[in-house]
Amino acid sequence: DAKTTQPTSMDCAEGRAANLPCNHSTISGNEYVYWYRQIHSQGPQYIIHGLKNNETNEMASLIITEDRKSSTLILPHATLRDTAVYYCIVQGGKLIFGQGTELSVKP
Amino acid sequence: KAGVTQTPRYLIKTRGQQVTLSCSPISGHRSVSWYQQTPGQGLQFLFEYFSETQRNKGNFPGRFSGRQFSNSRSEMNVSTLELGDSALYLCASSLGYRGSEDTQYFGPGTRLTVL
Repeated sequence: DAKTTQPTSMDCAEGRAANLPCNHSTISGNEYVYWYRQIHSQGPQYIIHGLKNNETNEMASLIITEDRKSSTLILPHATLRDTAVYYCIVQGGKLIFGQGTELSVKP
Repeated sequence: KAGVTQTPRYLIKTRGQQVTLSCSPISGHRSVSWYQQTPGQGLQFLFEYFSETQRNKGNFPGRFSGRQFSNSRSEMNVSTLELGDSALYLCASSLGYRGSEDTQYFGPGTRLTVL
């Protein structure tokens, strides 16, 4: 079973920040939080990962709470091309995917 | 660097046949993992190969098998195909570090349809 819980779907207006939450209350001390996204019928695309510090790259920012039980992926200026299913995964060797969050970016 | 490539991209087979799918990892990556994605079950882990050895295995029947070659390329085979094997089969490669910081990069997938 997936070790994460995410909302099933979210909407975001184009140009606004998209904040996608994830709960991972059973995360172990050495497990990383990974985010991937999948645009319809394509292979999942790696976005970002982190252990306990906040991380930022050219695609997104990852905010991890101090107790590491939850995290938020932030897409700072969402575009229509960011419409996808976003998966939050606690990495423990093999990737165990949950159902993810279906993000719809609307004009 | 070239990404993960998978061949063929699309495949149609009939029940009872067998199929072989191929995956070429990113240069320098030694681990290859396979996943099955269906509308009903979502993305499920099949197995992982590292240095030509199966290192991890998901909960799939023995009809699903794989192998890895010395150049890290990998193949997976499904024998005696069933209708329920229709799915998107995804391959992901990584450096293969033990432990949890080992980023996997996915290929575009092979869409298998079983008639």
